[in-house]
Amino acid sequence: EPEVTQTPSHQVTQMGQEVILRCVPISNHLYFYWYRQILGQKVEFLVSFYNNEISEKSEIFDDQFSVERPDGSNFTLKIRSTKLEDSAMYFCASRGRGLQNQPQHFGDGTRLSIL
Amino acid sequence: AQSVTQLGSHVSVSEGALVLLRCNYSSSVPPYLFWYVQYPNQGLQLLLKYTTGATLVKGINGFEAEFKKSETSFHLTKPSAHMSDAAEYFCAVAPSGANSKLTFGKGITLSVRP
Repeated sequence: EPEVTQTPSHQVTQMGQEVILRCVPISNHLYFYWYRQILGQKVEFLVSFYNNEISEKSEIFDDQFSVERPDGSNFTLKIRSTKLEDSAMYFCASRGRGLQNQPQHFGDGTRLSIL
Repeated sequence: AQSVTQLGSHVSVSEGALVLLRCNYSSSVPPYLFWYVQYPNQGLQLLLKYTTGATLVKGINGFEAEFKKSETSFHLTKPSAHMSDAAEYFCAVAPSGANSKLTFGKGITLSVRP
């Protein structure tokens, strides 16, 4: 079965540094998402992306965050200047075309640790 | 706006016992409802979903859930727990009719005792 793949599985970065988290969604999917889960807390929505533009974003997704689909396969999340509170598990998800009730398929996540 | 309430953080059952994980939701529009499972060091795997039609939905691994609009609930059940069911379970809601984000509950950890 097709999967969403995320790299790296664990990223350790110094505070203030830029970090890029990478995702390869399922190949025929058109809707892409990033979520994060701070340790011990809920999974929180960050941003959704469709037709090469952001369709919705949360309050968390401020100017330090950006997303990009640089080619036909990758979907990236960039954090420009990381803070300690950005430490979390980041999940990418994708959804297929067609009926609105298509579920989102999640990757295994990238654990981001900010030192 | 949507929200999900999963009361309690931990449920422990004996192997072979009934599993019942509760989920209540709030939604300003007809909801789509989901249960996801997360095994250690893995991503979120879809167990089952309710969108329209039959209110009792069956998912993978013998789980099922019933959408009860009058109770705004979507509780997850399995008649007989297996050791491999030990994981974290998340209930999520999305508004119907839109390419929308999922709003998750805080999750419940299920432990299964031999």
